[in-house]
Amino acid sequence: DADVTQTPRNRITKTGKRIMLECSQTKGHDRMYWYRQDPGLGLRLIYYSFDVKDINKGEISDGYSVSRQAQAKFSLSLESAIPNQTALYFCATSGSGTGVWKTQYFGPGTRLLVL
Amino acid sequence: AQRVTQPEKLLSVFKGAPVELKCNYSYSGSPELFWYVQYSRQRLQLLLRHISRESIKGFTADLNKGETSFHLKKPFAQEEDSAMYYCALSYVASGSARQLTFGSGTQLTVLP
Repeated sequence: DADVTQTPRNRITKTGKRIMLECSQTKGHDRMYWYRQDPGLGLRLIYYSFDVKDINKGEISDGYSVSRQAQAKFSLSLESAIPNQTALYFCATSGSGTGVWKTQYFGPGTRLLVL
Repeated sequence: AQRVTQPEKLLSVFKGAPVELKCNYSYSGSPELFWYVQYSRQRLQLLLRHISRESIKGFTADLNKGETSFHLKKPFAQEEDSAMYYCALSYVASGSARQLTFGSGTQLTVLP
């Protein structure tokens, strides 16, 4: 779904470097998420945001930070990258509301390699 | 704690054969379960959700609360079904916000 975009698509960096992964969406959704995907571990939630003023830690937030610059933008930062942060990172969005879980729409992923 | 288990990392079947991808969950609350699929070089997308009780691309999944399972089934597999499949559980996290947790995935290969 081209409504959710991620930049860069691939990134190689060195240990100790600070990097930022960006996510933009044109779906008008309030909720945005960052996941990482590792072989054999599936997807794990890093951070999520239910609106511009709401940021929440997910399952594995250590070593990461996020910024919700606008409804449409949600950035993930690695302050000091380490090799075990090498993974495929996905951004996702969903609508808001109470009750049942809203369908999430995923971006294409960013493949990060930390040397 | 909530958890989703997909016991098979890899599953191969022949075209036309039935296929079943297993998913078990643990959650003390009222579960909402989903199957997501990721085709080669495509992004992750929702395949189906249990509350809809729907059939998508010939796939069905029934929530069995007694066995805490949500297995994905298709009677006749097609080559285009080859993909990575993730089972996911929506649960109420601390602070009452709902979150989604994924299983580790099953790579399905349908052989000609």
